[in-house]
Amino acid sequence: ELKVEQNPLFLSMQEGKNYTIYCNYSTTSDRLYWYRQDPGKSLESLFVLLSNGAVKQEGRLMASLDTKARLSTLHITAAVHDLSATYFCAVDFRLLEYGNKLVFGAGTILRVKS
Amino acid sequence: DGGITQSPKYLFRKEGQNVTLSCEQNLNHDAMYWYRQDPGQGLRLIYYSQIVNDFQKGDIAEGYSVSREKKESFPLTVTSAQKNPTAFYLCASSPRRRTGELFFGEGSRLTVL
Repeated sequence: ELKVEQNPLFLSMQEGKNYTIYCNYSTTSDRLYWYRQDPGKSLESLFVLLSNGAVKQEGRLMASLDTKARLSTLHITAAVHDLSATYFCAVDFRLLEYGNKLVFGAGTILRVKS
Repeated sequence: DGGITQSPKYLFRKEGQNVTLSCEQNLNHDAMYWYRQDPGQGLRLIYYSQIVNDFQKGDIAEGYSVSREKKESFPLTVTSAQKNPTAFYLCASSPRRRTGELFFGEGSRLTVL
């Protein structure tokens, strides 16, 4: 079964603190995506990770991919209120008979408190 | 500007009625997708289309129908057979060779009264 698990599902942090969101997946893939969603809004692409060891950074967010461990992390440095949103990871699984299938995690709701 | 346009943004429906959600893109993308989002859950794939005049069922296709008569357009009909249609519906597109990086529309929120 293709599964993508994020944790934590809810994260309340103080401004200025660091934290990491984890995304585990059930079977081999080397393509993983992180999206951000503001309340009531659409999803916005944050990072595209296409190989083992890939690391991407944008502002206070850094994403990495370890395909051997089937794990991606989204690290938040010195959080600010503007980062409050829901963050989704999505894994692109290649299936012989099906082609590609993109499976989303349940999302992590991040609230940054001042 | 290039993008994906969904309409309507909000829609109310009585039980037993079919409704159609519009999705138009001018990104020249081959693939288009419909997802459903419920509170506290990730996105679930309803239908997708890799090319004009062809589409496939996703994980939760029952009670939904689609068409792909033009590259730019991928409307979704929520039929009366869909038992729990109240949800947030998101349309997305991608260039064929990069299926995972999706570009999303603003979404349509359907409420059944």
